[in-house]
Amino acid sequence: GAGVSQTPSNKVTEKGKYVELRCDPISGHTALYWYRQSLGQGPEFLIYFQGTGAADDSGLPNDRFFAVRPEGSVSTLKIQRTERGDSAVYLCASSLTPTGAKYFGPGTRLTVL
Amino acid sequence: QKEVEQDPGPLSVPEGAIVSLNCTYSNSAFQYFMWYRQYSRKGPELLMYTYSSGNKEDGRFTAQVDKSSKYISLFIRDSQPSDSATYLCAPNEGYQKVTFGTGTKLQVIP
Repeated sequence: GAGVSQTPSNKVTEKGKYVELRCDPISGHTALYWYRQSLGQGPEFLIYFQGTGAADDSGLPNDRFFAVRPEGSVSTLKIQRTERGDSAVYLCASSLTPTGAKYFGPGTRLTVL
Repeated sequence: QKEVEQDPGPLSVPEGAIVSLNCTYSNSAFQYFMWYRQYSRKGPELLMYTYSSGNKEDGRFTAQVDKSSKYISLFIRDSQPSDSATYLCAPNEGYQKVTFGTGTKLQVIP
């Protein structure tokens, strides 16, 4: 496909469990971003990758959250010991260059029971 | 005070109306001004962006920026039911780390 894809589209988990959310950016896009969107709010920045390295992870709320992009393409957002407050839509975006237009995926809706 | 303030709405207008969506911001360093549109259960999509004060027009959409009052607007002419979505303003220092407003939900009634 031509767009950013995210899997799974929905994830329901129990408090305390570990989850992984995957993002497949547009082919050739070097920059990749993770955002979190709670109900009725705008997306909140989490982390930005340029290539394989995290250029800015200042938005990660605490050390339970971690993201990787080992080959500079697919990225995985990992959340340990999930809490109910982690429930949100997790959005991924990619851009050809850091200053280029960002293209968002449809998001993964995470529900922590 | 939040960095970006946006009336959450919802805003309901009849088809064909002119819509005005507004944001205020507090950070004087913001120099890139973007508007995103987000349909229900979809990711945001870039609608318009501008780098300076003034107006920028694209079809039925006009983005207006007033840096002196830290006020940005998006106008939609001849609104259509397909314009029903949440509109997010995003004034920023750069493109890397975009800060969004809370979004205004718009409903255009046929």
